[in-house]
Amino acid sequence: NAGVTQTPKFQVLKTGQSMTLQCAQDMNHEYMSWYRQDPGMGLRLIHYSVGAGITDQGEVPNGYNVSRSTTEDFPLRLLSAAPSQTSVYFCASSFRGAPNQPQHFGDGTRLSIL
Amino acid sequence: AQKVTQAQTEISVVEKEDVTLDCVYETRDTTYYLFWYKQPPSGELVFLIRRNSFDEQNEISGRYSWNFQKSTSSFNFTITASQVVDSAVYFCALSGDTGGFKTIFGAGTRLFVKA
Repeated sequence: NAGVTQTPKFQVLKTGQSMTLQCAQDMNHEYMSWYRQDPGMGLRLIHYSVGAGITDQGEVPNGYNVSRSTTEDFPLRLLSAAPSQTSVYFCASSFRGAPNQPQHFGDGTRLSIL
Repeated sequence: AQKVTQAQTEISVVEKEDVTLDCVYETRDTTYYLFWYKQPPSGELVFLIRRNSFDEQNEISGRYSWNFQKSTSSFNFTITASQVVDSAVYFCALSGDTGGFKTIFGAGTRLFVKA
């Protein structure tokens, strides 16, 4: 099993460009989420999904869109990148049927907005 | 609303010292789960332990131990006889029975263990 796969690992964008960060999991997990990690801020929840077709906002959703058309994929879209979105982004998944199960994280995407 | 507070931003210890990382949480949920994750310098997030709100039993795993106290809303993590390999950022996290069990993380505590 590959677990949670994030692509790309690194990306540099110019202000105003759009981009999609990809996340895929092969564990048949219902729950998927996106976090951003900034120095001193820990991991902040951007958006999450409890199943295909269902998404909801987390703590810092502004500037990001998500969709969940399949169980496996949960892409994160930046419609118009801003320097404040420079961060490391982590995708995670877990089996919702047992909510005490830990999340499985991808390796992260390091995104720089110039 | 859920909230996780890790008041210690950075801790520095010398190898073989014991160190405790504090975690205080807020939630209105009746059923909730607490987690600790480790992020070594390589950047990946590694799950360490989970606790549910109905289980206040402390746990020990090798040099690691966890103290869960509902009365003070705390879930503290102690490393005994610390080693250089323990140097990492440690995150406490909370997941509750509302909101689809979304998980909220604290800001993290960076632990430096010097040889």
